[in-house]
Amino acid sequence: AQTVTQSQPEMSVQEAETVTLSCTYDTSESNYYLFWYKQPPSRQMILVIRQEAYKQQNATENRFSVNFQKAAKSFSLKISDSQLGDTAMYFCAFLVFQGGSEKLVFGKGTKLTVNP
Amino acid sequence: DTAVSQTPKYLVTQMGNDKSIKCEQNLGHDTMYWYKQDSKKFLKIMFSYNNKELIINETVPNRFSPKSPDKAHLNLHINSLELGDSAVYFCASSQVPDTQYFGPGTRLTVL
Repeated sequence: AQTVTQSQPEMSVQEAETVTLSCTYDTSESNYYLFWYKQPPSRQMILVIRQEAYKQQNATENRFSVNFQKAAKSFSLKISDSQLGDTAMYFCAFLVFQGGSEKLVFGKGTKLTVNP
Repeated sequence: DTAVSQTPKYLVTQMGNDKSIKCEQNLGHDTMYWYKQDSKKFLKIMFSYNNKELIINETVPNRFSPKSPDKAHLNLHINSLELGDSAVYFCASSQVPDTQYFGPGTRLTVL
């Protein structure tokens, strides 16, 4: 069974600094997708970044970038120049293909607080 | 324009009642999903529908019955509500295989 592990339940960072959130996953598949979603207090699930496993280049979206280590099954998220609006729960998710459809398997989340 | 919408956003009801949550997407996606987020924030899939056909039923009690009248809509009906059903329910959609986009969530509180 595919699993996603986020080992940091909570983290905090000072505004303008850089923080890295960890994620590891377990799968026997060779082709898959990985995502980071953000859930602010408004509870909306917002896509932060996505990585396709066949792409060796790490994905970046403005201040957000990932360190994708396929052999190690690691998918960490780096947030540069942290802003107060980055305060949220961050979920790492793995896309599993199943029976003609697909489902996201989520980690338990990391609560990130950005301090002024 | 809202891509994935859900109604209602909040639902408070008594144990034993029956309630429905509606979901609509205007992204033209062919697959829709229901996820449940429990009190510890853990998200888990419940159902997925592809072009109105049930694809995934993730061992959800049969008190939960999804219905998809067309590929833009996926509703969730819950019979005989129990205290343990209190959670946030998210609808999502995607064009398989690709990113899933989530609705705003429905916070269900069963008293």
